[in-house]
Amino acid sequence: AQTVTQSQPEMSVQEAETVTLSCTYDTSESDYYLFWYKQPPSRQMILVIRQEAYKQQNATENRFSVNFQKAAKSFSLKISDSQLGDAAMYFCAYRSADFGNEKLTFGTGTRLTIIP
Amino acid sequence: NAGVTQTPKFQVLKTGQSMTLQCAQDMNHEYMSWYRQDPGMGLRLIHYSVGAGITDQGEVPNGYNVSRSTTEDFPLRLLSAAPSQTSVYFCASSFLSGTHVYEQYFGPGTRLTVT
Repeated sequence: AQTVTQSQPEMSVQEAETVTLSCTYDTSESDYYLFWYKQPPSRQMILVIRQEAYKQQNATENRFSVNFQKAAKSFSLKISDSQLGDAAMYFCAYRSADFGNEKLTFGTGTRLTIIP
Repeated sequence: NAGVTQTPKFQVLKTGQSMTLQCAQDMNHEYMSWYRQDPGMGLRLIHYSVGAGITDQGEVPNGYNVSRSTTEDFPLRLLSAAPSQTSVYFCASSFLSGTHVYEQYFGPGTRLTVT
């Protein structure tokens, strides 16, 4: 079974600064997908960024980028130019690449606070 | 498109009561699932379905039943509520992935308290 670990329950960053959230995972599969979800106080789960394991290039979405280290099974999220609206819980999630296996395995989350 | 809708948003039950959490999507997604979110534990999969008439268990299925009679609806039933089922429940849906990874869309959640 796959597991996802987020070792930072809480993080804080000054507005406009950069912060990195850590995620490690354990799997015996060679092909899979990794995701970062944001959950603001509204509770809505919002997809931030995703990475296909077969791609060596790190995914980027505007101010959000990842550092994907497949051999180390590490998938960190970097948020640049942090904004007040970035304050939320952030969840790392794993999904197998098997067809029809849409199950997401989530980490326990990191609460990000933005300091004005 | 309403996306994924869940009702109710909040519910309080007494131990032993039954209820159904409703989930509907209007995106013609084959895959639907239910997760529960507990403090310090992330989201855990309860049940899922890959199409009408097909359901299967996830990581924490005990105490919950599901059925999928239509593509659009995937209700979650609690037959005899227990305090351990106090949680926030999320429904999610997506197309089945093949060579393309489809995004899972989440509903707004239902906060359930069992006293």
